Amino acid sequence: ETGVTQTPRHLVMGMTNKKSLKCEQHLGHNAMYWYKQSAKKPLELMFVYNFKEQTENNSVPSRFSPECPNSSHLFLHLHTLQPEDSALYLCASSQEGWKVLSPQPQHFGDGTRLSIL
Amino acid sequence: DQQVKQNSPSLSVQEGRISILNCDYTNSMFDYFLWYKKYPAEGPTFLISISSIKDKNEDGRFTVFLNKSAKHLSLHIVPSQPGDSAVYFCAARATSGTYKYIFGTGTRLKVLA
Repeated sequence: ETGVTQTPRHLVMGMTNKKSLKCEQHLGHNAMYWYKQSAKKPLELMFVYNFKEQTENNSVPSRFSPECPNSSHLFLHLHTLQPEDSALYLCASSQEGWKVLSPQPQHFGDGTRLSIL
Repeated sequence: DQQVKQNSPSLSVQEGRISILNCDYTNSMFDYFLWYKKYPAEGPTFLISISSIKDKNEDGRFTVFLNKSAKHLSLHIVPSQPGDSAVYFCAARATSGTYKYIFGTGTRLKVLA
């Protein structure tokens, strides 16, 4: 149990579907992240939110739309995805900011395995 | 351009021996480094970290060494156990400003019983 829960664990969708990935953290962290992991590639940072505000968008196509309603929940809305978007999508959280005396590691969920038909 | 590199995609070690996983980085602004372990069908799990003000950090069987002049870090596992078989990722970050972590491609460690 990592304290970061992602649902669903697996998702198969067609290119014209709309679906959402959900992430919830129970660690009291203020920063949340979406990563994409494709085969034989390093984890690619997609988005960063700190206290619900987006602080990083790593040139992600607009067919991926993040939403962070509060510090505990993060969504990734998917629309008209492409086959190359098939990957493992990982959510992470960490404690950041001026109250933190030293850097803190990120805690990851188990990911959503996404397959685009 | 990959700022964090793990040049060995895989490593096999006999149980009880030392496992040494290596990581190189190019960005001199990086000042915080981490190692994660990942089992199949699970997310990465934080293992150990080191700040650039240190050159060694130890936690049980795991020790991370940092050589800032060479921009190199390594993870030593002694003694290696079959349960250590997993993919190991190193990650780096510049703590001023952004919360952006850069990950390597991972090294698959297999500990043979």
